Amino acid sequence: KQEVTQIPAALSVPEGENLVLNCSFTDSAIYNLQWFRQDPGKGLTSLLLIQSSQREQTSGRLNASLDKSSGRSTLYIAASQPGDSATYLCAVADSNYQLIWGAGTKLIIKP
Amino acid sequence: DAGVIQSPRHEVTEMGQEVTLRCKPISGHDYLFWYRQTMMRGLELLIYFNNNVPIDDSGMPEDRFSAKMPNASFSTLKIQPSEPRDSAVYFCASSFATYEQYFGPGTRLTVT
Repeated sequence: KQEVTQIPAALSVPEGENLVLNCSFTDSAIYNLQWFRQDPGKGLTSLLLIQSSQREQTSGRLNASLDKSSGRSTLYIAASQPGDSATYLCAVADSNYQLIWGAGTKLIIKP
Repeated sequence: DAGVIQSPRHEVTEMGQEVTLRCKPISGHDYLFWYRQTMMRGLELLIYFNNNVPIDDSGMPEDRFSAKMPNASFSTLKIQPSEPRDSAVYFCASSFATYEQYFGPGTRLTVT
């Protein structure tokens, strides 16, 4: 059974720093991996999707990598801003396209 | 496009009452997902549809929960009778094929 783990559960860094969020999964047979952002009391916003054949995806200050063999993905945020404060969730899609979710990392960017 | 639309945004009801949550997916999307989010259990997939047909409802907690998708632009999730442990935020999401899932704002359900 696929399990997705995100460490740390919470992270607080000063504004301007580059940071990395981690996601690990137990079964490498994934279809794709998505990173989402959730603001308090709001829905989820898709940030990046990496297909299983890809190694990374970039969008603005965000870069997500995928290493299927080791069961790991990272989300790199460059030059962090207070507006980046949110909970970041990763989810892996199995062969039935169902998403299995991590518990999320709560990120706080201090001005 | 207005994105995924859910209604109501908040629902407070008494135990034993019927609750109906509604979702309008993004036009052109062929997959629709219903999720539940709680502090204790995180995000859970309840059921998903492909081209209006339920594909997997193994996440539906029990027979009190039912979901329908009568057409490509509308889906409902019904709880009858509701119980306090059903209190959660319920999200609807849609996608085109196996690409990104787009989430609605959620319905916060409180059952007293």
